[in-house]
Amino acid sequence: DADVTQTPRNRITKTGKRIMLECSQTKGHDRMYWYRQDPGLGLRLIYYSFDVKDINKGEISDGYSVSRQAQAKFSLSLESAIPNQTALYFCATSVGGGRADEQFFGPGTRLTVL
Amino acid sequence: RKEVEQDPGPFNVPEGATVAFNCTYSNSASQSFFWYRQDCRKEPKLLMSVYSSGNEDGRFTAQLNRASQYISLLIRDSKLSDSATYLCVVKSGNNRLAFGKGNQVVVIP
Repeated sequence: DADVTQTPRNRITKTGKRIMLECSQTKGHDRMYWYRQDPGLGLRLIYYSFDVKDINKGEISDGYSVSRQAQAKFSLSLESAIPNQTALYFCATSVGGGRADEQFFGPGTRLTVL
Repeated sequence: RKEVEQDPGPFNVPEGATVAFNCTYSNSASQSFFWYRQDCRKEPKLLMSVYSSGNEDGRFTAQLNRASQYISLLIRDSKLSDSATYLCVVKSGNNRLAFGKGNQVVVIP
């Protein structure tokens, strides 16, 4: 089944550690996104990419970086994790062009920074 | 002002009843509108797009009011399985989606 997968699904780490979250998709979509979700704040866009090596900042990109080396993969890095980066992280994909609207989400990564 | 605003609730609804809620958006140039459903600790999934003329999908009806900049969702004959958070989503001019915080619906037996 065409799918969006995220690894790891859960991660506990310590302040100052470098963390990478991976997203893979078999949908063949050009566009990929990283969001974080916090209680009471809803989903907020961190970074997005419309094609391989295309990187765009979202509304809360500080403290994060991303890499898009292949169409199917979009990774999110926290260079030096801090406790307020504790959140649920979602990757999403969408088709490019005129049908870019619907986004398909991965199952999420629950990250805890101690 | 937030780009998309929703009253988080919760909306406690007796099984079989009708529930409706709105969300407002701030950007009058917004192009597309959606409702997503999110179950507890799960990923959001598209419930339905919202068209200018209004649209219906089974027990769900969505409406758009551009003049007042709000969209609405109505659920008829509520089922226990409708318990979830409903996210209002607006596509802005830069081709990005803005998400509301969600309306939490709890259907009570």
